[in-house]
Amino acid sequence: SQTIHQWPATLVQPVGSPLSLECTVEGTSNPNLYWYRQAAGRGLQLLFYSIGIDQISSEVPQNLSASRPQDRQFILSSKKLLLSDSGFYLCAWIGAPNTGELFFGEGSRLTVL
Amino acid sequence: AQSVTQLDSQVPVFEEAPVELRCNYSSSVSVYLFWYVQYPNQGLQLLLKYLSGSTLVKGINGFEAEFNKSQTSFHLRKPSVHISDTAEYFCAVSDLGFGNEKLTFGTGTRLTIIP
Repeated sequence: SQTIHQWPATLVQPVGSPLSLECTVEGTSNPNLYWYRQAAGRGLQLLFYSIGIDQISSEVPQNLSASRPQDRQFILSSKKLLLSDSGFYLCAWIGAPNTGELFFGEGSRLTVL
Repeated sequence: AQSVTQLDSQVPVFEEAPVELRCNYSSSVSVYLFWYVQYPNQGLQLLLKYLSGSTLVKGINGFEAEFNKSQTSFHLRKPSVHISDTAEYFCAVSDLGFGNEKLTFGTGTRLTIIP
């Protein structure tokens, strides 16, 4: 069966420090992958999505970036974190083509101080 | 562009009472509609989805939703809630454009069950 893993689960970082959140999917090949951010009271905001290796689309201009070095690995990064980057970051993959049904990881909670 | 509105940010309900969580969407094309549930400090999991066919959709944990195209709504209902239903619920929409498999989420409704 397919599974999705995110790490770290919790992270506390100072302003200006770098960030790397990792997501891996098992049990499927060439999945569409997504990074969402959930901020308090603001629902889920799509940050990046990828349809294949090195194919990344950015939805919202910001100081975050994403990379997909391998088929089942999706990484969210920042060179210098801002206070506004705090939130709950969720990785997801699409279960079946053209249905829009997403399967989510357990999330990574980032607090920037 | 598509959007989703969840009018109620918080809904308190007594245990065993019925509940309705409201969702309205806006899109210039036909859509798929979803309800997801998020328990504290966890990712989201799918409750139910409407792709086509019957407008009344049944999901897990006794929830159901009805797609109303004329009112552009997809309200979630449960006839009798349980303490374990306490969670945040998100409505989402995805348009049917080929290759455009991105979900737009509402801001969520926090359902609190009162014993």
